[in-house]
Amino acid sequence: TQLLEQSPQFLSIQEGENLTVYCNSSSVFSSLQWYRQEPGEGPVLLVTVVTGGEVKKLKRLTFQFGDARKDSSLHITAAQPGDTGLYLCAGPNTNAGKSTFGDGTTLTVKP
Amino acid sequence: SQTIHQWPATLVQPVGSPLSLECTVEGTSNPNLYWYRQAAGRGLQLLFYSVGIGQISSEVPQNLSASRPQDRQFILSSKKLLLSDSGFYLCAWSGGTSEKLFFGSGTQLSVL
Repeated sequence: TQLLEQSPQFLSIQEGENLTVYCNSSSVFSSLQWYRQEPGEGPVLLVTVVTGGEVKKLKRLTFQFGDARKDSSLHITAAQPGDTGLYLCAGPNTNAGKSTFGDGTTLTVKP
Repeated sequence: SQTIHQWPATLVQPVGSPLSLECTVEGTSNPNLYWYRQAAGRGLQLLFYSVGIGQISSEVPQNLSASRPQDRQFILSSKKLLLSDSGFYLCAWSGGTSEKLFFGSGTQLSVL
């Protein structure tokens, strides 16, 4: 079974601070996805990383895929209250058509 | 563009009552469809997935069942709800072999 571990589980910071959250596995994934979910809503896809060592930027968010494709990180620069939410990483299961999800990092950005 | 609709948004049901949650997708054909359950503030547990009409795979033994009567319709059901069925239920779709999932807005189910 492919498992994804996310850390930290909870993170509370002040507006303007930088932060990094992590998604780690002992298994190799062909790709990893990052989602953000707000309370009472479904997760929304932020990015997919496919190539080992790949870095993708989405405004103030920087996503990196590990060289061995076993881990990924999400770095947020100058966090804003609007960044508050649950950040989930996911990767395709060895069985086609299914994804494994981490338990998420709950981020709170205080104004 | 593709859209996914899930309803109702919230539901309060007594123990032992039946359940029917519906999900429909528009703007795409032959989607893979999924039902997930999420505990508060935690990750997603895959309950069922379907790659075509009438084709349902169950991931975990439980009190729930799923059906896909039409290509873009996915239904989650129970004959008799248990307290442990409470949770946030999410429907999602993906296209072909894509790993990208697109989620509905979820149903918060409370079984009392």
